[in-house]
Amino acid sequence: QSALTQPASVSGSLGQSVTLSCTGSSIDVGTYGSVSWYLQRPGKAPKLLIYGVSQRPSGIPGRFSGSKSGNTAYLTISGLQAEDEADYYCSSYRGTSTLVVFGGVTRLSVL
Amino acid sequence: EVQLVQSGAEVRKPGESLKISCKASGYSFTTNWISWVRQMPGKGLEWMGRIDPDDSRSNYSPSFEGHVSFSVDKSVDTAFLQWSSLKASDTAIYYCARLDNFYAMDVWGQGTTVAVSS
Repeated sequence: QSALTQPASVSGSLGQSVTLSCTGSSIDVGTYGSVSWYLQRPGKAPKLLIYGVSQRPSGIPGRFSGSKSGNTAYLTISGLQAEDEADYYCSSYRGTSTLVVFGGVTRLSVL
Repeated sequence: EVQLVQSGAEVRKPGESLKISCKASGYSFTTNWISWVRQMPGKGLEWMGRIDPDDSRSNYSPSFEGHVSFSVDKSVDTAFLQWSSLKASDTAIYYCARLDNFYAMDVWGQGTTVAVSS
């Protein structure tokens, strides 16, 4: 069981928007502004999409956006493209000896 | 180009030792901590811990403490992940990643596959 809870799967149609959730607690997502999102394609290493809840690294398209409300963080992908079909992970700083925790993965299907 | 290049796939027997590597290039190696992340077959990502390349200070996730160890060699900009006695359950892909100030992993190695089987 992962420390952060993500839905196992979500789907959306080409061109539409989808929002992925990541629920933690007051010792991680709810308190700290260090939520990150990663995309992983089959057989590849993860890739950073969002850091610091809502900031995008250079080279990440603006259609990827992050937000947070309470103990839940969100990744919204607008204008879905076929290439967005992948596994998505969230992570957060945690104020315990664990320091960093991941969510359990959301598989995005683009219809 | 900033990159982390990991050593190749390894096959070992239970009880054997192993050390895999992660070589940094394109940035100042001692500026950022290096994290290690495990991905067991068909499973999600697990944070193992981090090491400061500047002084080798390390933090281990409780799930991994005592079973693995981190080290660095600053002279060759390389971080290492080591086991003294492997178990079959250590079979996984291991990633190194550069940790930024937001505890985000902004640069990843390509992964090292470790297979442990008798």
